Amino acid sequence: AQSVAQPEDQVNVAEGNPLTVKCTYSVSGNPYLFWYVQYPNRGLQFLLKYITGDNLVKGSYGFEAEFNKSQTSFHLKKPSALVSDSALYFCAVRDRDTGGFKTIFGAGTRLFVKA
Amino acid sequence: EADIYQTPRYLVIGTGKKITLECSQTMGHDKMYWYQQDPGMELHLIHYSYGVNSTEKGDLSSESTVSRIRTEHFPLTLESARPSHTSQYLCASSESNTGELFFGEGSRLTVL
Repeated sequence: AQSVAQPEDQVNVAEGNPLTVKCTYSVSGNPYLFWYVQYPNRGLQFLLKYITGDNLVKGSYGFEAEFNKSQTSFHLKKPSALVSDSALYFCAVRDRDTGGFKTIFGAGTRLFVKA
Repeated sequence: EADIYQTPRYLVIGTGKKITLECSQTMGHDKMYWYQQDPGMELHLIHYSYGVNSTEKGDLSSESTVSRIRTEHFPLTLESARPSHTSQYLCASSESNTGELFFGEGSRLTVL
């Protein structure tokens, strides 16, 4: 079975400071990992994904994430937060070996960036 | 911008009505999905399809049904809406097993 945990309901950070949004996962096989962002009353937008290769992946809007297999984590990071980064962030996992094409989402983390 | 469209964006109906939420994509993706999301909350997979004439139930039990007669079209139907069906319904598609999901803007359903 697949599952995703986002341990923080909310993350608060000052503009210009680095931000981290945490994600851990559980799959039977090997994971494909994704981050999405959702703005109010909108669908989700893709930010970045880990499929294979380099553990550090870079995505849209200056975001990056690091795949850590031993800790089963895929934390989202950005060196310098912007007020416009304030949104709801979802981590997602797909089990490449047993999960078919199903993507399972975490509960989401609300990011507030204060000016 | 992703080419996946949902209609209606907002719908308010009375209990017992039949409704269909439309979802269409112009990207030629084989895989399509319906997720249910209460505002600002997590997404729950309720239906998915691997291609034409293929539909499967997701992890969250739902009284809705889906069909996939054409690649580009994946409508969701509720035969008799109830207040418990009030939620946002998000449609998505993907190209492959490694591909990210492309989401529509969502259909927010309110059943009175």
